[in-house]
Amino acid sequence: ETVLTQSPATLSLSPGERATLSCRASQSVTTSLAWYQQKPGQAPRLLISDASNRATGIPARFSGSGSGTDFSLTISSLEPEDFAVYYCQQRNELPLTFGQGTRLDIK
Amino acid sequence: EVQLVQSGGGSVQPGGSLRLSCAASGFTFSGYSMNWVRQAPGKGLEWISYINTISTTIYYADSVKGRFTISRDNARNSLYLQMNSLRAEDTAVYYCSKDGWEAWGQGTLVTVSS
Repeated sequence: ETVLTQSPATLSLSPGERATLSCRASQSVTTSLAWYQQKPGQAPRLLISDASNRATGIPARFSGSGSGTDFSLTISSLEPEDFAVYYCQQRNELPLTFGQGTRLDIK
Repeated sequence: EVQLVQSGGGSVQPGGSLRLSCAASGFTFSGYSMNWVRQAPGKGLEWISYINTISTTIYYADSVKGRFTISRDNARNSLYLQMNSLRAEDTAVYYCSKDGWEAWGQGTLVTVSS
């Protein structure tokens, strides 16, 4: 099973700042990695597929990068609605696995 | 508009059974594989099952294998999860998701408790 480790667990930033979230895989997942945003009481929302492709309707301030075992999600300038929990997911092999999440808090 | 509307959650005693449903609309359901994902209270996401378009390929996470059964009815545009021998650790919000993962159901809470 591919284990995904996200860091940091919590990130406290202010609106307008840049956020960089990390996801490290225990083995190569090539570029089969996705990022999701989840707000309380809501289903996850797909942000990024295949490591760097923004999903439909996702603002350009969200970008993903990486391949192999190291990935990152960058939010270039935080908006108030961006404060949420973010998960990475690998789709390279079964079982599909998710990271434990990074909570992005308002500072 | 793509919609996945879930039903069937609730409370059940350990060892009991529940069936979850996920009704699809706004897209050609028979053309997409589907998944179930769950989230225990305050915890992260866990993929639990996959079914392809014609139900010939099915996968389960080890945590539910032998107890849960995924199925679909393309004529009814519906996905199902039959959950048997439920345990306290199965308590979670369950989500269905369309292949591609851009569309998710609203989630349904399953509580297993005596």
